[in-house]
Amino acid sequence: EVQLVESGGGLVQPGRSLRLSCAASGFTFDDYAMHWVRQAPGKGLEWVSGISWNSGSIGYADSVKGRFTISRDNAKNSLYLQMNSLRAEDTALYYCAKGGRSDIFPVGCFEYWGQGTLVTVSS
Amino acid sequence: QSALTQPASVSGSPGQSITISCTGTSSDVGGYNYVSWYQQHPGKAPKLMIYDVSNRPSGVSNRFSGSKSGNTASLTISGLQAEDEADYYCSSYTSSSTLEVFGTGTKVTVL
Repeated sequence: EVQLVESGGGLVQPGRSLRLSCAASGFTFDDYAMHWVRQAPGKGLEWVSGISWNSGSIGYADSVKGRFTISRDNAKNSLYLQMNSLRAEDTALYYCAKGGRSDIFPVGCFEYWGQGTLVTVSS
Repeated sequence: QSALTQPASVSGSPGQSITISCTGTSSDVGGYNYVSWYQQHPGKAPKLMIYDVSNRPSGVSNRFSGSKSGNTASLTISGLQAEDEADYYCSSYTSSSTLEVFGTGTKVTVL
């Protein structure tokens, strides 16, 4: 059974940093691209970032480019999102999602999702 | 990159069929066969229902089907059931620097 468990969310002041983690199990982690997708309270879904199986291809939404950094550790079956210079508009539930293919060009689809970790940016 | 356009709400009676549209441009929906659909119940994570326009993952009911014509993709739910009441989102690969774009979301109500 595929399991994706996010952690690291919380309340943070504008301009500060936060690092999210996603622990994966139930599939061969280093065969697949991984993604972060967020959902602001009461709003729709927004793709944030994706990383290919070997970290060779990385992509970001324009809204987070230059502030967020995605990474993965295949030895630990883990995905990360380093979020810097956080803004109020980054407040959202952040989902870790398993890609349907090994690369992010194209993204393809999000086969499985975690339950999300809530990030609240407020003073 | 603007979100793909979906109707805010669609409703139907049990047993009926409904169709949700997802309109983009030639840079996303119209340009690639990488349209997916997701179902999200309140307080739950999204679930993949359709990928690559018309393919169903294992375990998804064959009451769900997808198609595409030009810049518009569609999700059809046939034999509508109470459990189908949820929010539905489409998504598509895009040639813009933001690689994937979601739709605005559609709330499906079973009357």
